[in-house]
Amino acid sequence: EIVLTQSPGTLSLSPGERATLSCRASQSVSSSFLAWYQQKPGQAPRLLIYGASNRAPGIADRFSGGGSGTDFTLTISRLEPEDFAIYYCQQYDSSHSLTFGGGTKVEIK
Amino acid sequence: EVQLVESGGGLVQPGGSLRLSCAASGFPLSSYWMTWVRQAPGKGLEWVANINEDGSEKYFVDSLKGRLTISRDNAKNSLYLQMNSLRAEDTAVYYCARARNFLSAWGQGILVTVSS
Repeated sequence: EIVLTQSPGTLSLSPGERATLSCRASQSVSSSFLAWYQQKPGQAPRLLIYGASNRAPGIADRFSGGGSGTDFTLTISRLEPEDFAIYYCQQYDSSHSLTFGGGTKVEIK
Repeated sequence: EVQLVESGGGLVQPGGSLRLSCAASGFPLSSYWMTWVRQAPGKGLEWVANINEDGSEKYFVDSLKGRLTISRDNAKNSLYLQMNSLRAEDTAVYYCARARNFLSAWGQGILVTVSS
């Protein structure tokens, strides 16, 4: 089973700052099968990035994804007030199972 | 508009069973793998199960194998999750989601509470 480790656990930043979130896999992950989600309190997760670097429809261009192999990043170029939330990475593998990282909370400093 | 609406949750006693339903609209259910994901209170996301377009392939998280059945009725635009021998640690919000490699649409979730 592939384990995804997200860091940091919490990121304290101010609006307008840049956020860089990390997702590290215990073994190599196909970039095609790496995704990022945003979840706000009381809401379902929302797909932000798929295929490691492709923005989902309707997602603002301040969100970008990158990386390959075992190291992936989600970058928010300039934090807007609505971006303070929890972010999860997720991978899908050849055994048809999905795993999620533990999440990074982006909070207002 | 793509919509997924879960139902069937609630309070169940330990050892009991529950069947969750997910009603899909706004897209052809028969064209998509579907997935169930759960989230325990205050915790992260956990994949539970998925099923292919015609229901001939089903996969489950190892920790829940033997206690779950996933099924679908494309004619009724519905997805199901039958959960048996429920335990306190199964208490969670259960989400249905579209597709398998990345989850492009999610329901609002349904709470399942296992408690005596």
